[in-house]
Amino acid sequence: QQQVKQSPQSLIVQKGGISIINCAYENTAFDYFPWYQQFPGKGPALLIAIRPDVSEKKEGRFTISFNKSAKQFSLHIMDSQPGDSATYFCAASYAGKSTFGDGTTLTVKP
Amino acid sequence: DTEVTQTPKHLVMGMTNKKSLKCEQHMGHRAMYWYKQKAKKPPELMFVYSYEKLSINESVPSRFSPECPNSSLLNLHLHALQPEDSALYLCASSQGLMNTEAFFGQGTRLTVV
Repeated sequence: QQQVKQSPQSLIVQKGGISIINCAYENTAFDYFPWYQQFPGKGPALLIAIRPDVSEKKEGRFTISFNKSAKQFSLHIMDSQPGDSATYFCAASYAGKSTFGDGTTLTVKP
Repeated sequence: DTEVTQTPKHLVMGMTNKKSLKCEQHMGHRAMYWYKQKAKKPPELMFVYSYEKLSINESVPSRFSPECPNSSLLNLHLHALQPEDSALYLCASSQGLMNTEAFFGQGTRLTVV
């Protein structure tokens, strides 16, 4: 049973456009929702994270929107740049156990 | 210093070998993690240590043996691995177990031949 579903699997966006990645979770015990960026051959790096008592969090060009009742959260990347091309993972965590979505490969075309 | 250092970066081992992966952090974090990541897949949690004690073992085969000698170091001892164990092994650390930022190392690319 997949606890965190992520979509789309891949995404192509023009430079300057908005990239949107969505995740849905099932376990209401999750209390921390991070997004990670991973480049080939590198470990994941935390981009931004949110807790369920907040509906939106913005850091620079990255925004998380969180809908607790729908058990969904999304990552918005504004003004997408070619350097943003990477794989993005959402995750849901509780007491040290993190469950990752399957990942979204983002390609930003110049 | 927000770095998690993993050694070696690459490792090739035979199925009868014994090897160890090492992970080090100097951020004062008290939770440390081992993940396994296959190509084009998300990281999968293997073990979690909290205050140097094993907190979570995600039903990992005994050919993988974790060790936390002190609060800064985490090892993963490998013995009698199978080719399907070939993957990127990631170490991570966080301040604690509850909703805190996790920092990942660059990983060890393991190939079992």
